[in-house]
Amino acid sequence: KQEVTQIPAALSVPEGENLVLNCSFTDSAIYNLQWFRQDPGKGLTSLLLIQSSQREQTSGRLNASLDKSSGRSTLYIAASQPGDSATYLCAVIGIQGAQKLVFGQGTRLTINP
Amino acid sequence: NAGVTQTPKFQVLKTGQSMTLQCAQDMNHEYMSWYRQDPGMGLRLIHYSVGAGITDQGEVPNGYNVSRSTTEDFPLRLLSAAPSQTSVYFCASSRGLAGYEQFFGPGTRLTVL
Repeated sequence: KQEVTQIPAALSVPEGENLVLNCSFTDSAIYNLQWFRQDPGKGLTSLLLIQSSQREQTSGRLNASLDKSSGRSTLYIAASQPGDSATYLCAVIGIQGAQKLVFGQGTRLTINP
Repeated sequence: NAGVTQTPKFQVLKTGQSMTLQCAQDMNHEYMSWYRQDPGMGLRLIHYSVGAGITDQGEVPNGYNVSRSTTEDFPLRLLSAAPSQTSVYFCASSRGLAGYEQFFGPGTRLTVL
């Protein structure tokens, strides 16, 4: 059964720092991995989608990498801003099993001005 | 493009009442799904649909019913609400599942008394 883990559960850093959020998954047989952002009381906003054949994707200050063989993905946020404060979720779609996204529990990020 | 829309935003029910959570998308997506989000449990798939007229169960389908008569709409019915169904419900859509970006609605916060 696919399991997705995100460590740490919470992270607080000063504004301007570069930071890395981690996501690991137990079954490397995946179609793709997706990173989301969730603001308090809001829905999930898609940030980046990485196909299983890709190593990384970039959007603005965000860069997501995927190492399928080791079951790991990282989300790199450059020059963090207070507006980046949110919960970040990663999710995978496995090749085996049910037709669904399997989510991690998320990392709650706080950027201090 | 309105994307994925959900109504209502908030709802309070009494135990035993029934109601329908509405979900619509204007992106001509074939794949639609319903998740619930609970503290400590993450997001869990309730039901999904791969196209009009085709639905299937996710991992927590009990107490919920769905139908897909059009590509655009995917309502979720609570047959007889229970306090255990207090949750935040998210609808999502995509062109497909494997390899496609998933888009989420803003959510419905449901409280069952």
